[in-house]
Amino acid sequence: KAGVTQTPRYLIKTRGQQVTLSCSPISGHRSVSWYQQTPGQGLQFLFEYFSETQRNKGNFPGRFSGRQFSNSRSEMNVSTLELGDSALYLCASSRLRTDTGELFFGEGSRLTVL
Amino acid sequence: QKEVEQNSGPLSVPEGAIASLNCTYSDRGSQSFFWYRQYSGKSPELIMFIYSNGDKEDGRFTAQLNKASQYVSLLIRDSQPSDSATYLCAVNWKDRGSTLGRLYFGRGTQLTVWP
Repeated sequence: KAGVTQTPRYLIKTRGQQVTLSCSPISGHRSVSWYQQTPGQGLQFLFEYFSETQRNKGNFPGRFSGRQFSNSRSEMNVSTLELGDSALYLCASSRLRTDTGELFFGEGSRLTVL
Repeated sequence: QKEVEQNSGPLSVPEGAIASLNCTYSDRGSQSFFWYRQYSGKSPELIMFIYSNGDKEDGRFTAQLNKASQYVSLLIRDSQPSDSATYLCAVNWKDRGSTLGRLYFGRGTQLTVWP
């Protein structure tokens, strides 16, 4: 069974630009959550989507947004990029809610902001 | 403020030894606790979960939970070089005003098992 697929795997942007990251969950999984991982802060929760609805949101500014489509695929967008947005962005899928704890992570999208 | 604290390490143990990884959490409201393993350059994967006080064993791994002390640990017996990774502790909490929980992760403990 295919795992969680994230695209692109690597990308370089400059300050002020915007970026869109994509995540395809495991087939049959309805919940998608996004995390930012940095060496200094570790894994930080961005948001969770279930059945196309945002169910939970972390403490990130409004520049970070996301959505989920009817096929459970999800995208996240970061507008007006800042240097501090450089990080590994991980998508995780789960069959039901993410607070069941059984998350399956993708390989991540590594964003570098110059 | 909900916090999950882990000793960042690195923790270095010889092959065959017991590796002990510790995690403390700040809020008593959680009911479920998880350990994820992350190899360098890879994504985290779930290896253990525990809900009740006491020990839970799965192969070479034992998770221990003490809710009164707000402490959860992971023991790896007969450690192997292939266990070298960062181990992330995660705690499920509901945010204030929310009916939904989410996972809060510690920053992880880097474990090195040398031959």
